[in-house]
Amino acid sequence: AQTVTQSQPEMSVQEAETVTLSCTYDTSESNYYLFWYKQPPSRQMILVIRQEAYKQQNATENRFSVNFQKAAKSFSLKISDSQLGDTAMYFCAFMKPPITSGTYKYIFGTGTRLKVLA
Amino acid sequence: DAEITQSPRHKITETGRQVTLACHQTWNHNNMFWYRQDLGHGLRLIHYSYGVQDTNKGEVSDGYSVSRSNTEDLPLTLESAASSQTSVYFCASNDRLGDTQYFGPGTRLTVL
Repeated sequence: AQTVTQSQPEMSVQEAETVTLSCTYDTSESNYYLFWYKQPPSRQMILVIRQEAYKQQNATENRFSVNFQKAAKSFSLKISDSQLGDTAMYFCAFMKPPITSGTYKYIFGTGTRLKVLA
Repeated sequence: DAEITQSPRHKITETGRQVTLACHQTWNHNNMFWYRQDLGHGLRLIHYSYGVQDTNKGEVSDGYSVSRSNTEDLPLTLESAASSQTSVYFCASNDRLGDTQYFGPGTRLTVL
């Protein structure tokens, strides 16, 4: 069974500094997708970044980038130049699409609460 | 602008009552999903649908049902609400399975 582990329940970072959130997952699949979602206090879930497992190049979105290590099953999120608006809960997620038939899997980690300090 | 909405945003009900949570999206997405969010568990998939008349069980489907009669709506029904179903419920949608999911604002359900 697939699992997603976020080992850091809470983290804090000074404004303008860099922080890395860790995520590991367990799967025997070769075709899957990985996501980081942000959930601010408003509770709205927002996509931060998406990675397709067959792509070796790490995804980047402005100040957000990932370090995707497929063999190690690791998918960490780096936030550069942290801003107060980055304060939120961050969830790592694993998705396995069904191939022709079969079960669709979308597994979330338990989240890391990030606080950016002024 | 296209959006995904949920109603009600807050609901208090009693054990044993039937409850239906609404989800409506104007993205014209094929796929729709229901999750529940609880402390210590992240989000867990309840049910999902690939299109009209299609529904599938997720990892925590017991006590819940969905129906998909059109593209825009996927209502979630709790047939007989239990206290263990107190949670925040999120609806989401996307067009292709590998795409990001667009989430609604959530419904906080309390079962007394």
